Amino acid sequence: QVQLQESGPGLVKPSETLSLTCTISGVSITNYHWSWIRQPAGKGLEWIGRIYTSGRTNYNLSLKSRVTMSEDTSTNQFSLRLTSVTAADTAVYYCARDVGYFDNSGYSGYFDLWGRGTLVSVSS
Amino acid sequence: DIQMTQSPSSLSASVGDRVTITCRASQSITRYLNWYQQKPGRAPKLLIYASSFLQSGVPSRFSGSGSGTDFTLTISSLQPEDFATYYCQESDNDTFGGGTKVEMK
Repeated sequence: QVQLQESGPGLVKPSETLSLTCTISGVSITNYHWSWIRQPAGKGLEWIGRIYTSGRTNYNLSLKSRVTMSEDTSTNQFSLRLTSVTAADTAVYYCARDVGYFDNSGYSGYFDLWGRGTLVSVSS
Repeated sequence: DIQMTQSPSSLSASVGDRVTITCRASQSITRYLNWYQQKPGRAPKLLIYASSFLQSGVPSRFSGSGSGTDFTLTISSLQPEDFATYYCQESDNDTFGGGTKVEMK
């Protein structure tokens, strides 16, 4: 059974860096693409970024200057770093398995498996 | 950027009702349009991918249709476990709609 589990600090100070890890069990990280998605309390979903099986990354343009994603195949984990956080970054952060393919026009995919989510609050 | 507009933002329905939720894109979607269900305190769950393909394990009362800019999610006979919020998502830019909350009448 494939499972995803987010982990990391639940509280981050303004202007500091948010760091989260997603631990994958039941499947090799190298077999799929993976994404981070967040949801502020009472609001909708926002895609943050994706790491492809190639190790290449793609980020939401609105967050691109502050986001870095990486993977560690030896531990079957991938990570999110978001710098210079503000209160607007307070949200539940989800990691998700990203099933998709490339063709001449780009990438088509969907998120078929999600972690339970972890709440990150930005506050001094 | 593509904007995804869902309507209605909320609706009240009874068990057994047929429910239709609409998702409209600000420009034609060339790649996948997907639908998710989210219950309070839970992660979203994939229902439909590529506009009309039912995810494994999802009841057949859920169906999706549409192309271009207009897409619909239909629940043919609403069940008690279907009261939730539903989101569409396009994979050109991975933008989600604002959600439709289905509440009990």
